[in-house]
Amino acid sequence: SQKIEQNSEALNIQEGKTATLTCNYTNYSPAYLQWYRQDPGRGPVFLLLIRENEKEKRKERLKVTFDTTLKQSLFHITASQPADSATYLCALPDSSYKLIFGSGTRLLVRP
Amino acid sequence: EAGVTQFPSHSVIEKGQTVTLRCDPISGHDNLYWYRRVMGKEIKFLLHFVKESKQDESGMPNNRFLAERTGGTYSTLKVQPAELEDSGVYFCASSASGLAGHEQFFGPGTRLTVL
Repeated sequence: SQKIEQNSEALNIQEGKTATLTCNYTNYSPAYLQWYRQDPGRGPVFLLLIRENEKEKRKERLKVTFDTTLKQSLFHITASQPADSATYLCALPDSSYKLIFGSGTRLLVRP
Repeated sequence: EAGVTQFPSHSVIEKGQTVTLRCDPISGHDNLYWYRRVMGKEIKFLLHFVKESKQDESGMPNNRFLAERTGGTYSTLKVQPAELEDSGVYFCASSASGLAGHEQFFGPGTRLTVL
């Protein structure tokens, strides 16, 4: 079955720097991959979706890449701000709309 | 526009008791999902409704869990009888149909503690 690996260690960076989070999957390449943001005590919030035929997708300060050869997606936040501090989740569809989630990487942006 | 709402936000019950969680999806969303996150683990899929029909319930742990979505609007998830390992945060999500359905909107979750 599909497994997703995200760095369980928290990423601690200085405000203004670029944060880069990694998502690796082990099995088949999915038709698309999603990134969600989760704050404490709240549900995940959808950020970006990237399809298998797209190498890169951008939305404001966010950029996602998808490398089906490496079975990896990178999630970048440029010019990071303390408000970007949260847990970021990678998710893949298993079948139809059913999502498989990684355990998430906690990002802390220091002022 | 109201998002996905869940009730209650917290529930503390004794082992062997029954608990019913409720989810109100975004109006007009045909797809409704239940997920669960137990302590220290990743969010895991429980089941998926399309309108009032169960499309996929492969993630339901056992027959102590019963989900319904009468009339294709709100959904309930009943745990009877609850066991200690059922503790966790239960999330509900909804999405539109078609390609727009890939984006799932999550509720704030119900934190269930079984003592």
